[in-house]
Amino acid sequence: GQQVMQIPQYQHVQEGEDFTTYCNSSTTLSNIQWYKQRPGGHPVFLIQLVKSGEVKKQKRLTFQFGEAKKNSSLHITATQTTDVGTYFCAGGGESDSWGKLQFGAGTQVVVTP
Amino acid sequence: GAVVSQHPSWVICKSGTSVKIECRSLDFQATTMFWYRQFPKQSLMLMATSNEGSKATYEQGVEKDKFLINHASLTLSTLTVTSAHPEDSSFYICSARPGTSPYEQYFGPGTRLTVT
Repeated sequence: GQQVMQIPQYQHVQEGEDFTTYCNSSTTLSNIQWYKQRPGGHPVFLIQLVKSGEVKKQKRLTFQFGEAKKNSSLHITATQTTDVGTYFCAGGGESDSWGKLQFGAGTQVVVTP
Repeated sequence: GAVVSQHPSWVICKSGTSVKIECRSLDFQATTMFWYRQFPKQSLMLMATSNEGSKATYEQGVEKDKFLINHASLTLSTLTVTSAHPEDSSFYICSARPGTSPYEQYFGPGTRLTVT
């Protein structure tokens, strides 16, 4: 079955630095979505990528979908303390018609002032 | 727009009792709703997919007789944890997919269940 792997599991970042979290699927995806979950909160939708090679930017966040639609990355520049949380990628299977998502394990981000 | 609510937000129950959690799409019709479970510091695990008016489809390893799902209308799905035990304590999150999009899902705020 489809598996979505995400690395790193933890990311300690100094405020102002950049970091990237990576997501890889064992199968081709129809789409990939990124979510952010703050401690004690629920996942909040950040972005959805559908096209091969797609790149989307949201202020300091850059999301990329691989050409083969099997991997994705989230790059955050000039990290701020508000970026603290766990970032999940979630992939939709190509053959799934219901929109089911397989979540990666998440990258827990800790920002040091 | 695209707001999903869950009720209750937290619940404590005694072992052996049943608990019902509601998931509502407030401003759109959800042809499909999903139920997830999340243990502390872990990822979301998909439990089941429910389509309005039909039986839910459960993921491998999820007991359908223990986690009863009903998707009675296009705006409401319920998850009932039957004969709850302490190991069922978890964060349960639903999401809803509008009928207009094949991909978009909107998550509810989650329900924290503690079984004593």
